[in-house]
Amino acid sequence: QMQLVQSGAEVKKPGASVKVSCKASGYTFTGYYMHWVRQAPGQGLEWMGRITPNTGVTDYAQNFRGRLTMTRDTSISTAYMELSSLRSDDTAMYYCARVLGFTVDCWGQGTLVTVSS
Amino acid sequence: EIVLTQSPGSLSLSPGERATLSCRASQSVSSSYLAWYQQKPGQAPRLLMYGTSSRATGIPDRFSGGGSGTDFTLTISRLEPEDFAVYYCQHYGSSPPITFGQGTRLE
Repeated sequence: QMQLVQSGAEVKKPGASVKVSCKASGYTFTGYYMHWVRQAPGQGLEWMGRITPNTGVTDYAQNFRGRLTMTRDTSISTAYMELSSLRSDDTAMYYCARVLGFTVDCWGQGTLVTVSS
Repeated sequence: EIVLTQSPGSLSLSPGERATLSCRASQSVSSSYLAWYQQKPGQAPRLLMYGTSSRATGIPDRFSGGGSGTDFTLTISRLEPEDFAVYYCQHYGSSPPITFGQGTRLE
């Protein structure tokens, strides 16, 4: 049973950074792209970027370049998403998502990041 | 960059009725790259359809998808109470790899 389990909710001050983890199980971690998608309260889904787990190559959405870093640790089948210089409009649910072919076939449970002074 | 526009923004129907949701792409896309997701409050999205018309595992056959080029639809033939949710279409491309529509709320 494939599963993505994310780290817990975070509360951060403006200007700080947050790092969210996503541990994969039930499949070969290095065999599939891992994407990150966020959803602001009451809003739609926004693609942030992806990492190729076997090489570490990343591809970030234009909106996040310079603030976003995705990494992975293949020894523990875990992907990480770090967002810096947080603003209030970064308050959102952050999801990791495995892509099979052209679709997301497995989502993490989500990590709520709240940015507030 | 491909932009997906969903309509209507919200749809008010009753159980047993038929729902038709639309997703329009800003340029022609391959039907292989178009998917639909369902999201209920407090939950992550769930894959419903991939490749425009293929149902994901466990999705009942009252859900169907169709379309080509720039116009795609998700149809729910007879609404069940559990179908009331937000639905997103998604395209997989090159840059960016993933684009979502803004969603249709079925209420």
